[in-house]
Amino acid sequence: DVKVTQSSRYLVKRTGEKVFLECVQDMDHENMFWYRQDPGLGLRLIYFSYDVKMKEKGDIPEGYSVSREKKERFSLILESASTNQTSMYLCASSPGGGSPLIESPLHFGNGTRLTVT
Amino acid sequence: AQKITQTQPGMFVQEKEAVTLDCTYDTSDQSYGLFWYKQPSSGEMIFLIYQGSYDEQNATEGRYSLNFQKARKSANLVISASQLGDSAMYFCAMRDITSGTYKYIFGTGTRLKVLA
Repeated sequence: DVKVTQSSRYLVKRTGEKVFLECVQDMDHENMFWYRQDPGLGLRLIYFSYDVKMKEKGDIPEGYSVSREKKERFSLILESASTNQTSMYLCASSPGGGSPLIESPLHFGNGTRLTVT
Repeated sequence: AQKITQTQPGMFVQEKEAVTLDCTYDTSDQSYGLFWYKQPSSGEMIFLIYQGSYDEQNATEGRYSLNFQKARKSANLVISASQLGDSAMYFCAMRDITSGTYKYIFGTGTRLKVLA
């Protein structure tokens, strides 16, 4: 079974702090994703990566950056945390390439609930 | 731009009855995949069912089936014989190619409550 592990279940940080959210997957997946989930807004894509050192902006990249130095690890960085970044953050992975016609669901971690005060 | 729309923020269904959760999508691509996920109160995202845009038959997985109407760009999830454990958030998602790379886009979700 694919396992996606997020380093923290709950985090509380202060405004202006630099925050690192870590995600590790154990199934050699090429693609990794960071989403934030907010009530009424669903899951919104922040960044994704389809290969080591490669990254693509999602729909809401402002205020975030990412790092993928190793295939299994994808980090989300909040350079200077703000209260409007209080949210649930979900990491996910999927096998690489292929067609969208191939069933290739995302495998999610359990999420990190971040509170910025 | 690609978009997923779920117009039902919340739904109630009686135990053992069937329920349909609506999902419409917008894409200019011909090749795409549609997914449904369940998120119980524990927070984990559970993959339920997949439909490819060229699949001629509606997907089914146990009590879950997908009512796929390509011309209408809708992919509604049907849950038959609802159980109390089906109470959860349900998300519709689409995978298609954007700017040369594939990404997954989600709707805002529908919260389903099954009543005893």
